[in-house]
Amino acid sequence: GENVEQHPSTLSVQEGDSAVIKCTYSDSASNYFPWYKQELGKGPQLIIDIRSNVGEKKDQRIAVTLNKTAKHFSLHITETQPEDSAVYFCAASIMGNQFYFGTGTSLTVIP
Amino acid sequence: NAGVTQTPKFQVLKTGQSMTLQCAQDMNHNSMYWYRQDPGMGLRLIYYSASEGTTDKGEVPNGYNVSRLNKREFSLRLESAAPSQTSVYFCASSESGGLNSPLHFGNGTRLTVT
Repeated sequence: GENVEQHPSTLSVQEGDSAVIKCTYSDSASNYFPWYKQELGKGPQLIIDIRSNVGEKKDQRIAVTLNKTAKHFSLHITETQPEDSAVYFCAASIMGNQFYFGTGTSLTVIP
Repeated sequence: NAGVTQTPKFQVLKTGQSMTLQCAQDMNHNSMYWYRQDPGMGLRLIYYSASEGTTDKGEVPNGYNVSRLNKREFSLRLESAAPSQTSVYFCASSESGGLNSPLHFGNGTRLTVT
């Protein structure tokens, strides 16, 4: 099956700085890559996703890039704010069937 | 619009006891999933139901059973709980597999088995 690796496991940044989280996947058939944010005591919530026919997608302060050749994708958060502090998960899926998750990145934004 | 609702929120079981975790979604989604979340392990798929009337095993199905009661409801049963099943369990739904539609998660059930 698919194997998704996520780095780093923890990340601390100063408010206003950028944060980057990276994931790699193993199955070249994976074609859908969502990112989730999980706040304490809650379920993961979708923040952005990208499909394999697109190299980059942006939504305000959040962007995701995908390199299909290298089989890696990254989440970029610019102008970080304290409310961005949470655990972030990447995932890979083939056609929206089974989803395989990374092990999560705990992001702390220091005011 | 409640999305995905899970009950109970917390549960403590003794080894060998049984229980059923309930999940319901009101988004008319076809596919439903059960995941467990353990520290450092991310989210691992236990079982999923691609559509009403079908269920399939995921990565870690041992010790669990599921029932897709109808389109809205998908329950997870532990017949004889073990300490290794201490975890946070998340139910999720998606519009349909094959459409690259994202998962929508509930807020989880925190289960402790002593």
